[in-house]
Amino acid sequence: DAGITQSPRHKVTETGTPVTLRCHQTENHRYMYWYRQDPGHGLRLIHYSYGVKDTDKGEVSDGYSVSRSKTEDFLLTLESATSSQTSVYFCAISDYSGREYEQYFGPGTRLTVT
Amino acid sequence: GIQVEQSPPDLILQEGANSTLRCNFSDSVNNLQWFHQNPWGQLINLFYIPSGTKQNGRLSATTVATERYSLLYISSSQTTDSGVYFCAVTTNFGNEKLTFGTGTRLTIIP
Repeated sequence: DAGITQSPRHKVTETGTPVTLRCHQTENHRYMYWYRQDPGHGLRLIHYSYGVKDTDKGEVSDGYSVSRSKTEDFLLTLESATSSQTSVYFCAISDYSGREYEQYFGPGTRLTVT
Repeated sequence: GIQVEQSPPDLILQEGANSTLRCNFSDSVNNLQWFHQNPWGQLINLFYIPSGTKQNGRLSATTVATERYSLLYISSSQTTDSGVYFCAVTTNFGNEKLTFGTGTRLTIIP
């Protein structure tokens, strides 16, 4: 257990509404990531953070924004949700330990956009 | 970007059987991880193995970085081994953006 929680765990929302997902970690890890998982695609990186207020885009960042104002929290925002953003969202953390940056994942948030 | 291919896509085995899952990648990597996603959706870390061989109980993994592949071995399968196994890689030090394969779905029949 890498001390990662995600909230909410399940959410149903309507097209066009804003949605914010939260990732919270308790062990002061420097790196945090947001992935989405869709059938046939495995997991794909949306955004990541390498420190407070330091973020960058991943492979599928269109339609998403992130913020990290505290080490422990990494927020993912869908400004105007669309049906194509129905997915399972995973947060991950990593830290440099020797030569390793092993990533650990949270429990996931299932988002349905109707 | 780097391509990650896993085979086979699906595998159905009787309890007690052994299996080998393969991960091929198209470029040099500095990180390779194997994960098990259980039927409840949880992603469980199995191995961090950019090169060499590691073993953990009934599971072992080997990565041959020069030939761009990794193998995950599961011996004496149990029903709790069912789920999807993912290989994931990164290609940049200090910026560990994982690229995932599409997974191997393993079903163990009692």
